[in-house]
Amino acid sequence: LAKTTQPISMDSYEGQEVNITCSHNNIATNDYITWYQQFPSQGPRFIIQGYKTKVTNEVASLFIPADRKSSTLSLPRVSLSDTAVYYCLVGDMKITGGGNKLTFGTGTQLKVEL
Amino acid sequence: DAMVIQNPRYQVTQFGKPVTLSCSQTLNHNVMYWYQQKSSQAPKLLFHYYDKDFNNEADTPDNFQSRRPNTSFCFLDIRSPGLGDAAMYLCATSRDVQVGGYTFGSGTRLTVV
Repeated sequence: LAKTTQPISMDSYEGQEVNITCSHNNIATNDYITWYQQFPSQGPRFIIQGYKTKVTNEVASLFIPADRKSSTLSLPRVSLSDTAVYYCLVGDMKITGGGNKLTFGTGTQLKVEL
Repeated sequence: DAMVIQNPRYQVTQFGKPVTLSCSQTLNHNVMYWYQQKSSQAPKLLFHYYDKDFNNEADTPDNFQSRRPNTSFCFLDIRSPGLGDAAMYLCATSRDVQVGGYTFGSGTRLTVV
């Protein structure tokens, strides 16, 4: 399983764009990159998923360079309600038998202030 | 609209008294997972079911067991809870092809007294 490295914490202000980078140097050919958001006392929530280049949805963008050894989650114009822990996970899209489970890294605590 | 439902939301049990946490899903996903999350830590995978096939993580204590009687339900049994087992227990589901990632329940907060 590819190991991920993220900053432990980040601070931002309302209205700013936030970029959280995740390093995954030993990502495998079949691995996808998935980001989750977790609020206190709740389960993680899927944000975005990608394989290469750029993916965008209604809440975030995911940038993946050509070598795929890192990825950046971009949150446009954050608000106080975006204060949460953000996890980057890397793993094979297909689960086969006992393998290909996703393992959570330490995550990034994002704090948004006024 | 809840798709992965965990009951109860909060559970208090006595030291050494068996406890069961439940998870149900309406997504018809064939993979179900149990994670343990302690305060200020990342979720840690305990085991998962791929359909009826049970897959235990190597470092999951024997004190933790699981049952999946059908596609919709999965149970976590803690045979003799210790103080160190106090945590949030998260159930998640996915298809065998993880498009859209995992869907997590809201978790059960277990307190051991």
